Amino acid sequence: GAGVSQSPSNKVTEKGKDVELRCDPISGHTALYWYRQRLGQGLEFLIYFQGNSAPDKSGLPSDRFSAERTGESVSTLTIQRTQQEDSAVYLCASSQGLAGDEQYFGPGTRLTVT
Amino acid sequence: QKEVEQNSGPLSVPEGAIASLNCTYSDRGSQSFFWYRQYSGKSPELIMFIYSNGDKEDGRFTAQLNKASQYVSLLIRDSQPSDSATYLCAVDETADSWGKLQFGSGTQVVVTP
Repeated sequence: GAGVSQSPSNKVTEKGKDVELRCDPISGHTALYWYRQRLGQGLEFLIYFQGNSAPDKSGLPSDRFSAERTGESVSTLTIQRTQQEDSAVYLCASSQGLAGDEQYFGPGTRLTVT
Repeated sequence: QKEVEQNSGPLSVPEGAIASLNCTYSDRGSQSFFWYRQYSGKSPELIMFIYSNGDKEDGRFTAQLNKASQYVSLLIRDSQPSDSATYLCAVDETADSWGKLQFGSGTQVVVTP
């Protein structure tokens, strides 16, 4: 079956512009995660959706970052007034939402803020 | 602050040798442990998971878990150049019942021919 997909694969934007990143999870996966990975760094948790529960936003670095999810499908991560330090790969993952369940990652969106 | 710690490396391993990677975690209640491999410029892919103390083997990979000492390790036997990658350890957060994982920063492995 289809894996996690993300779009765009690459995004170059000017400082101060807003960007939207999209994630399509694996069908049937109730949990969806967003991570950020700066060059040469580890995964930084951003936000997590599980079914109809309130999302866990504890990893969002500032109020310029927000995310939405429609039911148990597509999610969009929005970064407003982008800054150069926002340049990174943004990874989306999904899982069945069960304790002990593995996460499957999408290919990522490489964001470059000039 | 719950933590997952890994040596960043690089861990240089001759081709054909055994690569040994270690990971320690602070959340004593964690029950699920994962190893992901990430090639440069690619997204992480799951290679092993382990839930019980002891060893779990899958091909050339063996995961070892010791909950009392709070560490999990990954052995790669007969290392190949294609094993050169960053290996991420991930541990479930017991405060979250829906599978949220905490990732270590990864260990870079370089297999030299």
